Amino acid sequence: GAGVSQSPSNKVTEKGKDVELRCDPISGHTALYWYRQSLGQGLEFLIYFQGNSAPDKSGLPSDRFSAERTGGSVSTLTIQRTQQEDSAVYLCASSDDRGRGETQYFGPGTRLLVL
Amino acid sequence: GESVGLHLPTLSVQEGDNSIINCAYSNSASDYFIWYKQESGKGPQFIIDIRSNMDKRQGQRVTVLLNKTVKHLSLQIAATQPGDSAVYFCAENLYMEYGNKLVFGAGTILRVKS
Repeated sequence: GAGVSQSPSNKVTEKGKDVELRCDPISGHTALYWYRQSLGQGLEFLIYFQGNSAPDKSGLPSDRFSAERTGGSVSTLTIQRTQQEDSAVYLCASSDDRGRGETQYFGPGTRLLVL
Repeated sequence: GESVGLHLPTLSVQEGDNSIINCAYSNSASDYFIWYKQESGKGPQFIIDIRSNMDKRQGQRVTVLLNKTVKHLSLQIAATQPGDSAVYFCAENLYMEYGNKLVFGAGTILRVKS
């Protein structure tokens, strides 16, 4: 597609349930990033993929959070046993990552509300 | 740790005036910077970027200035319009062993008064 897409756009879940968030990066982009944005806040880095591997997972807040990427394309962020503090917008971005500094292009985000 | 910060969390300007949004960064080795615009309910949108071998770069109605001596970045918007109302983020690129990593500032809210 023309840009980064994410699904679902909105997700309401009950505390304790698992959720899966999907990201489709720009075709050909090797790097993929997940961020979390709480209401009125900045972007919190979660994880970085280069191809299918994740050399930087330093931003994942707990072991309830995991992510994978398959075929060097689609990525899924999974949150197990969701808590109310997980409520936020989850943003995905992708880039060419060919050298020193490449623009990251963002998707529209998934708005997660944990009741 | 490394950080990028903004001086003003909220900026209100009159329509037609020029806007200046400021940002300080802490990593002197950073060589690539980006400004993003985020409208309500949307993801951040690329506005303009600049590499450290430049002091100034101009786009359509926007100009980014980079002062490496004091590690300061600014975004200037000419003839600000209501559609410019958004949150603006600066980002600093850190080149890691495994690839690139952007560190984002806290954001500045720009409100345009008609």
